[in-house]
Amino acid sequence: EAGVAQSPRYKIIEKRQSVAFWCNPISGHATLYWYQQILGQGPKLLIQFQNNGVVDDSQLPKDRFSAERLKGVDSTLKIQPAKLEDSAVYLCASSRGTEETQYFGPGTRLLVL
Amino acid sequence: AQSVTQLGSHVSVSEGALVLLRCNYSSSVPPYLFWYVQYPNQGLQLLLKYTSAATLVKGINGFEAEFKKSETSFHLTKPSAHMSDAAEYFCAVSPQGAQKLVFGQGTRLTINP
Repeated sequence: EAGVAQSPRYKIIEKRQSVAFWCNPISGHATLYWYQQILGQGPKLLIQFQNNGVVDDSQLPKDRFSAERLKGVDSTLKIQPAKLEDSAVYLCASSRGTEETQYFGPGTRLLVL
Repeated sequence: AQSVTQLGSHVSVSEGALVLLRCNYSSSVPPYLFWYVQYPNQGLQLLLKYTSAATLVKGINGFEAEFKKSETSFHLTKPSAHMSDAAEYFCAVSPQGAQKLVFGQGTRLTINP
């Protein structure tokens, strides 16, 4: 069984630029999560999808971050415009359902200069 | 609300020695508790989880953890450390019946030869 795929693995941008990350969950997993992991901290949930609907986006900075999962499979997370403090690893995870174990992708490491 | 405190951001042990990583939690409802491991440039992998069954939970790679409600603790142990155990370890809590993970800040485990 293929794991959670993410791309790109690394991205360097300047502040005020835009950036997008892509996630392909494990086949058949209905629930998808995006986490932000700042250096030296644990992951923090940004948004949770159940199929193509948002379950929880309470910690998503909606003035600059957006995410979608239009067909209930792949998902994209966008930052526009980026700030220096957005430098972090962005992790995608998926699970069969909201009460099931989460499986994490390798993450996208973002550096904002 | 839930929170996790991991005591010690960095733990160093000798190969073959006991590994003890400490985790204390706070939860207003009965919790589920998790330990995840993160190897360099990889996503998080589930080591073990407590979901209100047996208080002593056995996981992968020889790790185990004991849920102690009176101490609000869920410490991770392994009798004999191996070089391959060097990684970052995260404790996480979620309310029972859900997978809304709240992570601790992580503990970096170093194994000395």
